[in-house]
Amino acid sequence: AQSVSQHNHHVILSEAASLELGCNYSYGGTVNLFWYVQYPGQHLQLLLKYFSGDPLVKGIKGFEAEFIKSKFSFNLRKPSVQWSDTAEYFCAVTPYTGGFKTIFGAGTRLFVKA
Amino acid sequence: DVKVTQSSRYLVKRTGEKVFLECVQDMDHENMFWYRQDPGLGLRLIYFSYDVKMKEKGDIPEGYSVSREKKERFSLILESASTNQTSMYLCASSLLAGEQETQYFGPGTRLLVL
Repeated sequence: AQSVSQHNHHVILSEAASLELGCNYSYGGTVNLFWYVQYPGQHLQLLLKYFSGDPLVKGIKGFEAEFIKSKFSFNLRKPSVQWSDTAEYFCAVTPYTGGFKTIFGAGTRLFVKA
Repeated sequence: DVKVTQSSRYLVKRTGEKVFLECVQDMDHENMFWYRQDPGLGLRLIYFSYDVKMKEKGDIPEGYSVSREKKERFSLILESASTNQTSMYLCASSLLAGEQETQYFGPGTRLLVL
């Protein structure tokens, strides 16, 4: 069965530190890749997505992610985090299987200390 | 802006009760989804619907049913609530069928089954 693994369940950083959240998936075919974010008390919302083309994609609020096909990875990065980045981050993968079921990772809770 | 609303933010029910969770989207989206979100497990798909009166099982449909009589409304039904159905339930919608579509989420319903 397809699966999505997020390497860290909890991450604590100080403001201005760099962030990298790992995401790996297990499907060998074509995929679309997403990062969603859930800020405290808010809806889950899209941060960025990759469909094709440049494997480095940029999203909102200075986030970016790099798709490395050979490693089945789609890691999320931000050079300098802010207190307002405190949230839970979910990696998600939609395999091209003829349906459109999206598989979510378990999530990473990021806490940024002011 | 897409708006996805859920009928209740918090719900407390007793074991054996029939529970209805309702979701409404206002952007004429074709597809609607029900997930449950549990700590450490991420989002797991219960059911989805790609058209009125159409439904497909997700990864964990047991103990749940759904209804989509109108395009904008997607209901999740717990026929006989059990304590292991205590969870956060998220509804989502997306515009078109296909792997590239971003999902838009509602605020969630936190259900406690006693």
